[in-house]
Amino acid sequence: GESVGLHLPTLSVQEGDNSIINCAYSNSASDYFIWYKQESGKGPQFIIDIRSNMDKRQGQRVTVLLNKTVKHLSLQIAATQPGDSAVYFCAETSAGANSKLTFGKGITLSVRP
Amino acid sequence: GAGVSQSPSNKVTEKGKDVELRCDPISGHTALYWYRQSLGQGLEFLIYFQGNSAPDKSGLPSDRFSAERTGGSVSTLTIQRTQQEDSAVYLCASAPRGDTQYFGPGTRLTVL
Repeated sequence: GESVGLHLPTLSVQEGDNSIINCAYSNSASDYFIWYKQESGKGPQFIIDIRSNMDKRQGQRVTVLLNKTVKHLSLQIAATQPGDSAVYFCAETSAGANSKLTFGKGITLSVRP
Repeated sequence: GAGVSQSPSNKVTEKGKDVELRCDPISGHTALYWYRQSLGQGLEFLIYFQGNSAPDKSGLPSDRFSAERTGGSVSTLTIQRTQQEDSAVYLCASAPRGDTQYFGPGTRLTVL
């Protein structure tokens, strides 16, 4: 069936370095993608989203890249900080933003001081 | 402004008992979702309400699970005859029409 998956279960980076978290999706009809950050004991927190008519979108210290040809999504975090340590999930939907999301399993980002 | 709130934050119950989990969405959000997150896993869709439309129940794992949304606002997820495999964090999200989903803190359910 269709799925959204993350390539690596954990990522350890040095404070101040840039982080890149990758995600692959298999539903070619997906048209809306979101990155969420989840800290321990909390619900997922929206980071950034992108629609399928775009290939790049930037936020504050974060950039999302979408490659529809290979069905790949990435989240780049500039100058990673200890507060960025969390589990990151990519999610997608094929019916626009106001529809159920399919989530990947999550990747843990650990920032070394 | 207030975000999505859920209650209780933690619930411990015995196998076979019924539980009710509550979600208060962000005011004015027309869409409301329930997801389940098992330990170390991603989120699994359960049910989706959009305005006055019939809910999308396609993610409910069994007929022991049901949900309602009263007055287009508060929602209750009910699990009847709980089983140990129901233990998980139950997350609620709400969204304005056509926009991003915002999540509550979740209810951690433990079935003994």
